[in-house]
Formats: sequence, structure tokens, C-alpha cells
Amino acid sequence: DADVTQTPRNRITKTGKRIMLECSQTKGHDRMYWYRQDPGLGLRLIYYSFDVKDINKGEISDGYSVSRQAQAKFSLSLESAIPNQTALYFCATSAGQGLKKEKLFFGSGTQLSVL
Amino acid sequence: AQSVAQPEDQVNVAEGNPLTVKCTYSVSGNPYLFWYVQYPNRGLQFLLKYITGDNLVKGSYGFEAEFNKSQTSFHLKKPSALVSDSALYFCAVRDGSGYALNFGKGTSLLVTP
Repeated sequence: DADVTQTPRNRITKTGKRIMLECSQTKGHDRMYWYRQDPGLGLRLIYYSFDVKDINKGEISDGYSVSRQAQAKFSLSLESAIPNQTALYFCATSAGQGLKKEKLFFGSGTQLSVL
Repeated sequence: AQSVAQPEDQVNVAEGNPLTVKCTYSVSGNPYLFWYVQYPNRGLQFLLKYITGDNLVKGSYGFEAEFNKSQTSFHLKKPSALVSDSALYFCAVRDGSGYALNFGKGTSLLVTP
């Protein structure tokens, strides 16, 4: 079983719809992240959370929100999806202490298409 | 601000030849530098990191990277490329006070038989 699981793997939706992407992890890590990947732009950080009560905006948080329901779960919501949010979304985790926090573990990604 | 640049969109190498994937960085303090690899339909996987110490860092799958402070570079290298090394490679950086990694745009490596 994957250590970092993202659901769904693929999603097609329409402009204006609310969408939730979910991420769960069995690694016991404190830190969780949401990135989006666009061709030619690499990965950009949307939100990150260093523990259940700590939520922080990344460089491209507009149009997104997150919820850290438990240490193991971190969901990303698009309140009203728009076509330029079409992208590959990755959840990642890392340990909270020392140099281990530098190593990110990624899920397999969710391909979201907004029509 | 912290950032990395990967100047090559694609690198083509013949199997058995050495490979280099380039990365330059910009940070305000001491850099924490990383390489990740992404195989098709997969998430990114950690390859190696430079925090401090020796300028030559060895990582997974026979890859290594050379930290050069004067040139602000952290190029990924492998002495002998394999077809299975074909993938998308990302350089990433964090400064000492940063909260998360900043990734480059990625370089597609194609190793031909």
C-alpha cells in the first residue's frame, strides 16, 4: 500500500463546481503539503501544514482552501473551479524534526480537468 | 526570496555516456538543495540533498550532485546513463529560514539505447 494516498486519481469537472481532493498518509509525518504541477512551470506550493492546528498559504493559494482533519489527512478544496485550475495536484509529507523534514514523500497525484 | 533555475527543458544522452542536468540557485542565506525525479504517472521521488559538508553528494540510483558555491550551482550527474533513467528531474531549494521547498521547472532526461 502507498504511504501517501491521493483520491481521486482523475477528476473532470465543470466551471463553478466545488471540488475536494483528499490526501491521507500512513508515514506518521507531521508536515503535509499541496503542490500543483503545470507543464513548463514545475511544482508550485499551494498550502502547507506543519501540524493539525497549523495551516499556511503557499505561493498560489488564491482560489483554494485546505483542511487538516487529522495528522494523517489533508484535503484541498476548490470552492468554485475555473479552467486555469486544470493541473496535476500532488500531496506530499515530511517528518517534523531535524534534517528528516527536508525529504518529501509524494503521492501519485490527482489529474484535475476543469471544463 | 529563494529560487532555482533549470536552464534545459530536455537533455538527451546515449546509454552508457555520462549525463549532467543543470541547476542554479538563488537564496539569501545558506542553501539547502535537493534533486527529485518523477517517472511517468508517478509522484516525485527524492534523489539526494546538500545541506552542508562535502561538495559532492551521492544519492540514489548512482546519481550524484556537485555543489558549487561560487557558481551557485548544483548540477546532477551520473557517470553512465541507463535507459531507465529517462524521467523528469526537478531541482529544489530552501534557505535556512524558509518554510518549504521551491522547485525548478524540471528537465526531461531522455536516454537512448
